Amino acid sequence: GAVVSQHPSWVICKSGTSVKIECRSLDFQATTMFWYRQFPKQSLMLMATSNEGSKATYEQGVEKDKFLINHASLTLSTLTVTSAHPEDSSFYICSASPQGAPTRYEQYFGPGTRLTVT
Amino acid sequence: AQKITQTQPGMFVQEKEAVTLDCTYDTSDQSYGLFWYKQPSSGEMIFLIYQGSYDEQNATEGRYSLNFQKARKSANLVISASQLGDSAMYFCAMREWGNTPLVFGKGTRLSVIA
Repeated sequence: GAVVSQHPSWVICKSGTSVKIECRSLDFQATTMFWYRQFPKQSLMLMATSNEGSKATYEQGVEKDKFLINHASLTLSTLTVTSAHPEDSSFYICSASPQGAPTRYEQYFGPGTRLTVT
Repeated sequence: AQKITQTQPGMFVQEKEAVTLDCTYDTSDQSYGLFWYKQPSSGEMIFLIYQGSYDEQNATEGRYSLNFQKARKSANLVISASQLGDSAMYFCAMREWGNTPLVFGKGTRLSVIA
């Protein structure tokens, strides 16, 4: 099956610093990728939709100036958490489907990035 | 707006027994897809099964089957012959037609007992 990678798999950073998380589709092209956030013992919540070559669409309550999303190519989307604070500590997961895939096509998830802000 | 409801925070099942995980959904769309994902402690999301809103037969994938009752807006997951490795979080999810994001339920933690 299709593979989506994320890097890094885990990161610890100090409060006030920025962290970049990469999401790559390894064997298919994706014009759209999705970023989710999952707090401990909770479900996945959509943060934003990343569109290749255009601005991301953010969900209500997600600060677009804090969570910068760049989708510069058909295989790479990045999420940058700027001026991270301890409350940003979470599990960040991206997903994508092959370009033009029908609804029944599963979304392929990356393995996730565990961010801890100290 | 779409909504997924999973009312069972946790479930226990004896090894080799079958278990049903409940999921109800709400949408005003006629065309949609329903998914079940498994999330072990490692955090990876593992796709289990899919059911389309126009599919007349219930989906099956190995030991997994989806009991789809459209009029009741329910899409319960049935796991037959449970194994210890089935212990994990299980999420029901929905997406509208097209390349749209998934909306997840709160999940059910399944524990399989030897």
